[in-house]
Amino acid sequence: AQKVTQAQTEISVVEKEDVTLDCVYETRDTTYYLFWYKQPPSGELVFLIRRNSFDEQNEISGRYSWNFQKSTSSFNFTITASQVVDSAVYFCALSDWGGYQKVTFGTGTKLQVIP
Amino acid sequence: EAQVTQNPRYLITVTGKKLTVTCSQNMNHEYMSWYRQDPGLGLRQIYYSMNVEVTDKGDVPEGYKVSRKEKRNFPLILESPSPNQTSLYFCASRADLKNIQYFGAGTRLSVL
Repeated sequence: AQKVTQAQTEISVVEKEDVTLDCVYETRDTTYYLFWYKQPPSGELVFLIRRNSFDEQNEISGRYSWNFQKSTSSFNFTITASQVVDSAVYFCALSDWGGYQKVTFGTGTKLQVIP
Repeated sequence: EAQVTQNPRYLITVTGKKLTVTCSQNMNHEYMSWYRQDPGLGLRQIYYSMNVEVTDKGDVPEGYKVSRKEKRNFPLILESPSPNQTSLYFCASRADLKNIQYFGAGTRLSVL
């Protein structure tokens, strides 16, 4: 069975600080996808990134970066120089490769960026 | 514009009164899903569909029904809603096994 753990329920940082959101996953599959989604206060779900299990390269997109480490089953998300607009709930998710590709979400981390 | 449209966005109802939440996508996607989001539990899949007339249960299907008579539509039906179905519901669609999911804006349901 798949499992995604986001141990940080809520995080508060002061604007311009860096913050890392942790994601640890469990799966028996050797090939899979990992995702991060953002849910701002308005409630919609915004796709941020997809990473497949073959590609352990870290990725950077502006102030966002992702660190995928297969050896520790982690897919952490770092926001550099945080801004108030980053305040949201962030979900990590895992899907298998074959079949229907069921997606399992973590419980989310609520990030509050204080001005 | 690529969209997944859910209606209604907000709904207050009473126990036992049948309701339907509609979901429609304009991207010709084969795969569609329904999720519910509850505090501390994240998103949990209710039902999914791999194509017209092909549906299957997700993690929390009890008390829900779905149908997929057309590719674009995937309604969620609550035959006899109960207060424990008070939640935020999301519909999602994707083109194939490798693509990301596109989510609707969500439907906030309260069952009194």
